[in-house]
Amino acid sequence: QVQLQESGPGLVKPSETLSLTCTVSGGSISSYYWSWIRQPPGKGLEWIGYMYYSGNTNYNPSLRSRVTISVDTSRNQFSLKLSSVTAADTAVYFCASGHSYGLFDYWGQGTLVTVSS
Amino acid sequence: EIVLTQSPATLSLSPGERATLSCRASQSVSSYLAWYQQKPGQAPRLLIHDASNRATGIPARFSGSGSGTDFTLTISSLEPEDFAVYYCQQRSNWPTFGPGTKVDIK
Repeated sequence: QVQLQESGPGLVKPSETLSLTCTVSGGSISSYYWSWIRQPPGKGLEWIGYMYYSGNTNYNPSLRSRVTISVDTSRNQFSLKLSSVTAADTAVYFCASGHSYGLFDYWGQGTLVTVSS
Repeated sequence: EIVLTQSPATLSLSPGERATLSCRASQSVSSYLAWYQQKPGQAPRLLIHDASNRATGIPARFSGSGSGTDFTLTISSLEPEDFAVYYCQQRSNWPTFGPGTKVDIK
């Protein structure tokens, strides 16, 4: 059973870069699709992007210019960087994985990131 | 972008009743439609993938149907733990989610 755990700062200043890491246990990162999804407080879900272990990536077009997702196979981790953040980026950020593109079988518990000065 | 709409926004039912949730896509997504359940303070949980396939460990009271642009999630007899928000999600194009249907206790 794959288990995911997000980690990173809970508070980021406007215009700075949000950085989160997802640690994978119970499975190898050298398989599956690895995604980030976010949920503003009280609102719905928004897919941010994914990376396949081979290095292929795909990002939400509305965020593409600001997003980078990378994988560190040696640490069984994958990461999210979102640049030039504003208050609109305040959300619970989930890491998720799936055996097929666009499918999210496993989820982390989520971590709240607040953008504020 | 493929836009998903869900109806109703809220469904008020009693335990033991049947719940029928709808999801409509702005263009055909073939069968690339999934359903998730989310409870407060928790991550979503995959219930149904590819329109009608139950995910591992999901009880048989959950079923999905549809193809193209119109999909349905049915809960045959509501258990107390089923009161939650349900999202549909498509992966025909880059993934998008519907706004959710809240199933609450009548």
